[in-house]
Amino acid sequence: LAKTTQPISMDSYEGQEVNITCSHNNIATNDYITWYQQFPSQGPRFIIQGYKTKVTNEVASLFIPADRKSSTLSLPRVSLSDTAVYYCLVGSTSLNQGGKLIFGQGTELSVKP
Amino acid sequence: DVKVTQSSRYLVKRTGEKVFLECVQDMDHENMFWYRQDPGLGLRLIYFSYDVKMKEKGDIPEGYSVSREKKERFSLILESASTNQTSMYLCASSSVGQGTSYEQYFGPGTRLTVT
Repeated sequence: LAKTTQPISMDSYEGQEVNITCSHNNIATNDYITWYQQFPSQGPRFIIQGYKTKVTNEVASLFIPADRKSSTLSLPRVSLSDTAVYYCLVGSTSLNQGGKLIFGQGTELSVKP
Repeated sequence: DVKVTQSSRYLVKRTGEKVFLECVQDMDHENMFWYRQDPGLGLRLIYFSYDVKMKEKGDIPEGYSVSREKKERFSLILESASTNQTSMYLCASSSVGQGTSYEQYFGPGTRLTVT
């Protein structure tokens, strides 16, 4: 059974780089890896998505090794406002063709001053 | 900006009641999703719809049904609410991405309590 695993919680200080790793040993060929951020009382919000190698946007980087069995979300120079829960999602939109969408249980990141 | 709205932020129902949760998106997205979110379990997919009147079961469809009569609206129905359906329910929508990629836009969630 496909499973997406990530640490339950992490602590960091302002200005540090934070790396959150997600394990997805049974990732399928068509699956993408997507990360979401969620604040209390809000729905998750898209951060970044990738298929392989490295993807970078204005808020984060996503590193995916060649075997794609894990991925690492990297947040450069975090601030207090980055305190949130971060979810890893592995899956594809081909749900009507047997695809799956599997969320990790979420990593609660706490950034301290 | 994409907007996904859910009919209620908080809802309290009694065991055995029929419950309707409604979701509306304003970006003409083809795909719509219903998830439930529980502590320690992350988000779990209940149902998915890729077109009007089309639906696919997710990982935990038991005890739920859905309806999509219009493209912008996706309803989750609890035929006979039970206490183990107390949870946060999240609706999301997405366009059909390139290949199999996509970005989901989520509503704010409905906190349902069944007593």
